[in-house]
Amino acid sequence: NAGVMQNPRHLVRRRGQEARLRCSPMKGHSHVYWYRQLPEEGLKFMVYLQKENIIDESGMPKERFSAEFPKEGPSILRIQQVVRGDSAAYFCASSHGPPKEAFFGQGTRLTVV
Amino acid sequence: EDQVTQSPEALRLQEGESSSLNCSYTVSGLRGLFWYRQDPGKGPEFLFTLYSAGEEKEKERLKATLTKKESFLHITAPKPEDSATYLCAVQAVFDTGTASKLTFGTGTRLQVTL
Repeated sequence: NAGVMQNPRHLVRRRGQEARLRCSPMKGHSHVYWYRQLPEEGLKFMVYLQKENIIDESGMPKERFSAEFPKEGPSILRIQQVVRGDSAAYFCASSHGPPKEAFFGQGTRLTVV
Repeated sequence: EDQVTQSPEALRLQEGESSSLNCSYTVSGLRGLFWYRQDPGKGPEFLFTLYSAGEEKEKERLKATLTKKESFLHITAPKPEDSATYLCAVQAVFDTGTASKLTFGTGTRLQVTL
């Protein structure tokens, strides 16, 4: 029973490029959450999705960031025209649905150079 | 706006020295309170879910309790391998049935020394 899978684990992008982060939830899970964590800081909520729906995107920056969770395939967090301030660890979590526990992946560490 | 405050920010214990970590929360209609452990460079690892005041759960040297305003994570006779950051999170569900996001505290960094 595989856990939440995130790839890539490490991603290096030059300023202005696009970053695409993938999250495959645990089998049977239809809820996905994305969080960003800066060094020495807490987990900051970005977006909460169910299959084909965005439930809450109140934590997403208004520009350059988007997320999707299609009927088939992984959830994708896309960052366009990356800047140095986007460098962080991005974590994905999945659950059956509230108030069930959410399980996290190992994260994608994005470095913008 | 849901809020979670954890204290202390950092805690240093000697092996065998029991203590408690605090998580205070404000949320409209709590549906679940979650405890996670996070090691450096890793994703948070799920520990417990508590659903209602008075509920308690145990796992090895850890015991989590819940009241209407706060949760405690009690660590009994800790070992060096218990060193990690412990995170608390809450989730509410609105009257419409729509679930809210998980809101995390900033965590307590626990160091257990020999």
